[in-house]
Amino acid sequence: NAGVTQTPKFQVLKTGQSMTLQCAQDMNHNSMYWYRQDPGMGLRLIYYSASEGTTDKGEVPNGYNVSRLNKREFSLRLESAAPSQTSVYFCASSEMGGNQPQHFGDGTRLSIL
Amino acid sequence: GIQVEQSPPDLILQEGANSTLRCNFSDSVNNLQWFHQNPWGQLINLFYIPSGTKQNGRLSATTVATERYSLLYISSSQTTDSGVYFCAADTRSSNTGKLIFGQGTTLQVKP
Repeated sequence: NAGVTQTPKFQVLKTGQSMTLQCAQDMNHNSMYWYRQDPGMGLRLIYYSASEGTTDKGEVPNGYNVSRLNKREFSLRLESAAPSQTSVYFCASSEMGGNQPQHFGDGTRLSIL
Repeated sequence: GIQVEQSPPDLILQEGANSTLRCNFSDSVNNLQWFHQNPWGQLINLFYIPSGTKQNGRLSATTVATERYSLLYISSSQTTDSGVYFCAADTRSSNTGKLIFGQGTTLQVKP
């Protein structure tokens, strides 16, 4: 039982390049989330998907797009990467609704030069 | 939106000591969670605790929703407890799981 799996674990991009971060969960959870963590800070929500077929913006959605491909998978895309998007990106999942614990993947460390 | 504040920001303990971490939030919540981020960056869910008290081994948590705070207790600390502890909350009116995180408490346990 892998839980939440994120790929890749590390990536270096040049400014202006595009990139898709992948996330998959095997816990049959309905809700999925993308967060970013900047040095010395807590996590901030980028986008979330309450259930398959739905997505909504979080605190910091600018510069990102998401796709809920199916119940298991939720991807995050940077269309034109900027240095300000250098961060560690975490994907999380939970059972349906807000009143459930969230479980996190190991993160993707993304550097944009 | 809801504000989440944690204290203290940093804490250094000798192995075997006890500690209390505090989380204050500015609005009514229906979702309050505590996480541990280990030195390798992994985030582990410790407690889902919108109200009441829970215990898991040497760790316990209490949330007093009416007074808008939560406490995380660590007893008989071990070096493996080192890392950053985050609390995160979602407001009662939201109920979406859109967690707002505090800035964290960095704990160092010395042998």
